Amino acid sequence: QKEVEQNSGPLSVPEGAIASLNCTYSDRVSQSFFWYRQYSGKSPELIMSIYSNGDKEDGRFTAQLNKASQYVSLLIRDSQPSDSATYLCAVDSSASKIIFGSGTRLSIRP
Amino acid sequence: GAGVSQTPSNKVTEKGKYVELRCDPISGHTALYWYRQSLGQGPEFLIYFQGTGAADDSGLPNDRFFAVRPEGSVSTLKIQRTERGDSAVYLCASSLRATNTGELFFGEGSRLTVL
Repeated sequence: QKEVEQNSGPLSVPEGAIASLNCTYSDRVSQSFFWYRQYSGKSPELIMSIYSNGDKEDGRFTAQLNKASQYVSLLIRDSQPSDSATYLCAVDSSASKIIFGSGTRLSIRP
Repeated sequence: GAGVSQTPSNKVTEKGKYVELRCDPISGHTALYWYRQSLGQGPEFLIYFQGTGAADDSGLPNDRFFAVRPEGSVSTLKIQRTERGDSAVYLCASSLRATNTGELFFGEGSRLTVL
């Protein structure tokens, strides 16, 4: 079992709709969870971090964490073509190394 | 510069050769990470440093890979006897601290091609 699992996609969403990205992790003692965005040919950049169960909102982005289910999600509201990228879920494991999932490729169609 | 700097940006080498990849982190960042990313995959953890010491090197694939950070700033990833399977983008990232970092700042990566 991979430590951090994501559906590779591609996920195609019409412009203006909500994009929903999901991630599961295996290490129960993980405390910190992140979503990174990576444009093609570029390096990852952090867009959201979440540490407690529940929702965390930042502009059009909402991160959701459920530690009991070992599940993290990212919602992108009012999706824009500029949101087309690969979204990487990352987990700060018990050993403090940050492990990334394989990423979900998101495509926003005009 | 203000960001994480990696050199070289591109490296083409022949199978069996030795390669060094350098990372200069953001000034003041004590934690430094090395990842390897292949096409269509997420970054694969290799090693992280807290200060000068390797806090976790469990991701290094085998003993051909080694990394140092002698003064707690610049780090060098060293690959001996390169193999074609080592071809990937090697990403370096730094952070203010290793625990609950909140944010990794990535360099632009070093693309390694082993012929």
